[in-house]
Amino acid sequence: GESVGLHLPTLSVQEGDNSIINCAYSNSASDYFIWYKQESGKGPQFIIDIRSNMDKRQGQRVTVLLNKTVKHLSLQIAATQPGDSAVYFCAEDHSGGYQKVTFGTGTKLQVIP
Amino acid sequence: GAGVSQSPRYKVAKRGQDVALRCDPISGHVSLFWYQQALGQGPEFLTYFQNEAQLDKSGLPSDRFFAERPEGSVSTLKIQRTQQEDSAVYLCASSLAESKTRLNEQFFGPGTRLTVL
Repeated sequence: GESVGLHLPTLSVQEGDNSIINCAYSNSASDYFIWYKQESGKGPQFIIDIRSNMDKRQGQRVTVLLNKTVKHLSLQIAATQPGDSAVYFCAEDHSGGYQKVTFGTGTKLQVIP
Repeated sequence: GAGVSQSPRYKVAKRGQDVALRCDPISGHVSLFWYQQALGQGPEFLTYFQNEAQLDKSGLPSDRFFAERPEGSVSTLKIQRTQQEDSAVYLCASSLAESKTRLNEQFFGPGTRLTVL
């Protein structure tokens, strides 16, 4: 079947461990960032977002960190579960307001039971 | 409630054929986006509608690609004279927000996988 994760960098973690997925973004004018999760055969699903005037935001089991100095974004997933296995994309918005986003290349997360 | 739906889920076309891909956004969502996702890549923006108005079509790769949303709800992406490089998953997303409104979540459909032989 199709594989969203073909040729993507892969992160393998043990179930229950914490996962950290990193992303470098390209446009210093970007002021809004989003993490998406994409399972095979499905469209991307919103996980968490962050404005550029923040450096950290927490959700349920997830935390996003933003370092504007080095244009780096990370997604931390606590107590990783098998259901977290998917491809994760960061996306940046520099469209000036109407949510035209540019996606990064993605990281495949593989959770080992 | 129902999410974004797309049809067909899979489409195989011979090179040179025209195809039409349909997107049914979430009812009441003002904004609608089309993306193209090649295998192993992130989605790439194609075009954006606010209601029936196509405000941005800067991502359409060639004049063979055409999108419409005539009544501000259902949208169709049409590809004329398909080429092998058009093979990809075509994703549709909708959101509640209008232009100039920030931080509104885009809801994606499952995509249509187009294979051009």
